[in-house]
Amino acid sequence: LAKTTQPISMDSYEGQEVNITCSHNNIATNDYITWYQQFPSQGPRFIIQGYKTKVTNEVASLFIPADRKSSTLSLPRVSLSDTAVYYCLVVPIYNQGGKLIFGQGTELSVKP
Amino acid sequence: DAGVIQSPRHEVTEMGQEVTLRCKPISGHDYLFWYRQTMMRGLELLIYFNNNVPIDDSGMPEDRFSAKMPNASFSTLKIQPSEPRDSAVYFCASRKTGEDTIYFGEGSWLTVV
Repeated sequence: LAKTTQPISMDSYEGQEVNITCSHNNIATNDYITWYQQFPSQGPRFIIQGYKTKVTNEVASLFIPADRKSSTLSLPRVSLSDTAVYYCLVVPIYNQGGKLIFGQGTELSVKP
Repeated sequence: DAGVIQSPRHEVTEMGQEVTLRCKPISGHDYLFWYRQTMMRGLELLIYFNNNVPIDDSGMPEDRFSAKMPNASFSTLKIQPSEPRDSAVYFCASRKTGEDTIYFGEGSWLTVV
């Protein structure tokens, strides 16, 4: 499984756009990039996944450059409720190996 | 769907006692995972099952820990005897073959005093 590197923590204010970048230099051709979000006192939950270019859903956008060695999770106009830990994972397509290994994640703190 | 259900949500026990954590995965999911989360070590994968069979238990810390999955709708993680360093949040998660998303329960918060 490819190793990922992301900032340990980030601070933001309500209404700002937050971009969290993840490095995954050893990503393989059959790997997807997946992000999970963990609120305090809850288990992680899936928020977005992509292979290349840009993916957008109701929660976030994911930008992946052509070389796929990094990715950026973008949260538009954050609110206090976006305070959470965000995990970047590189996952083989259909994850035939079964398991997901979580790194340290990025702890996002949104202030009023 | 009710999601992954874990019990108990909170447990405080004395060192040396046996602790049993329970999990009911989402119906139809054939993978089940047990994770442990602490401030120091983050989210660690302890063991996972596929079709009720343990596939990888390399994350189980030591012989005091054991996990079983007697059927597709139930799994247990047992710690015997428990120690203060076992204090953590234990998450159960499940996934369906062919789908990438893992669904987590709300966790069991264990404190060993």
